[in-house]
Amino acid sequence: EVQLVESGGGLVQPGGSLRLSCVASGFTFSDYSMDWVRQAPGKGLEWVGLSRSRVKSYTTEYAASVKGRFIISRDVSENSLYLQLNDLKTEDTAVYYCARDLVGTPRGHEIWGQGTMVTVSS
Amino acid sequence: DIQLTQSPSFLSASVGDRVTITCRASQDISSSLAWYQQKPGKVPKLLIYAASTLQSGVPSRFSGSGSGTEFTLTISSLQPEDFAAYYCQQLNSYPITFGQGTRLEIK
Repeated sequence: EVQLVESGGGLVQPGGSLRLSCVASGFTFSDYSMDWVRQAPGKGLEWVGLSRSRVKSYTTEYAASVKGRFIISRDVSENSLYLQLNDLKTEDTAVYYCARDLVGTPRGHEIWGQGTMVTVSS
Repeated sequence: DIQLTQSPSFLSASVGDRVTITCRASQDISSSLAWYQQKPGKVPKLLIYAASTLQSGVPSRFSGSGSGTEFTLTISSLQPEDFAAYYCQQLNSYPITFGQGTRLEIK
């Protein structure tokens, strides 16, 4: 069964850091681009960034709102995708989802994890 | 960044109705558009990609059309399980962006 399981969310103070994890199973992790998408409470979806597949050397892209503060990485040996969140702001409060893209060129996120909640508050 | 504007933001309809949601892009995105459905408390679900390709397992009452800057999602005959929020997403260029969403509720 194809599955994504996120963890690592929690309560953190403004300016703090957190690392989210997403463990993938049921597919060849290195073959797929993987994204992070977030959703603030009661709000819409916001794309955070992605890690491309092995054939694209796992290169990354980020939304302007997180560029320079968030870092996406992956450990293929652990089938894990990570999101390092630094210099957190209250507006980063959201459920963070990892998602697997359709294979090939960017066309959509076909598999989603259940999400992990990050709350930034003093 | 490419802005996506969905209309309407809120839609009230009845079971059996045909509904259409529009997504307009601030610049040409070719056919690089996806549609998602999200029910309250649930994870988003991919419905359509490449503007008009139905994702595997999605009922055929859902269809997508358009290219360039104007796109539509149509539900041909609303079912009770279709009442949810719908989002369009452009994947033509980075950063990837979503529309603000359309909430579809039961009349």
